[in-house]
Amino acid sequence: GAVVSQHPSWVICKSGTSVKIECRSLDFQATTMFWYRQFPKQSLMLMATSNEGSKATYEQGVEKDKFLINHASLTLSTLTVTSAHPEDSSFYICSAVMGFTYEQYFGPGTRLTVT
Amino acid sequence: AQSVAQPEDQVNVAEGNPLTVKCTYSVSGNPYLFWYVQYPNRGLQFLLKYITGDNLVKGSYGFEAEFNKSQTSFHLKKPSALVSDSALYFCAVSKTGANNLFFGTGTRLTVIP
Repeated sequence: GAVVSQHPSWVICKSGTSVKIECRSLDFQATTMFWYRQFPKQSLMLMATSNEGSKATYEQGVEKDKFLINHASLTLSTLTVTSAHPEDSSFYICSAVMGFTYEQYFGPGTRLTVT
Repeated sequence: AQSVAQPEDQVNVAEGNPLTVKCTYSVSGNPYLFWYVQYPNRGLQFLLKYITGDNLVKGSYGFEAEFNKSQTSFHLKKPSALVSDSALYFCAVSKTGANNLFFGTGTRLTVIP
């Protein structure tokens, strides 16, 4: 149980284009999902908190107009990187909280490469 | 502000020996503490958590961690390491439960056969 999937697992796009990453909780409902960014050999940095039916809460320094987050249902959150640039290349990871377990369940991540 | 320190980037241990991965934290109020493991090309997997109660918490795959409030530490331990334990381990802290996790920089554990 408590499986979180991400799609795609990797994507290459050209500079200036937009890319959408999906995060799904497969066997539970998640009112809250999180989006992280992980740089090579570095820790996970929280980008935003996604709440079903409301606007996402972004961490300081994260451009909300560049990283669009939509939490359309209790099992799906999407992150759209708009007008991508090479510096947006990174490993993006989502997670979801199941009920009141105090545990975040993580997706396998999406590697984005912007050329 | 909250922070997590994992002082060792790399820990090597022989198979069958006990292992310790260190973590210290700083947070105002009572901490919620977590350990996650990341295997290559896979998402982070939850190992264990400390919320309240017994300072020694047991988790998945035979791992355990001890919450030490005076030393603000939450070191991960296992009595006998397996080669399959080789992975990247992250300590995380929150002051609000499952939300707003702040992660350490990770420690790469290598278990040598």
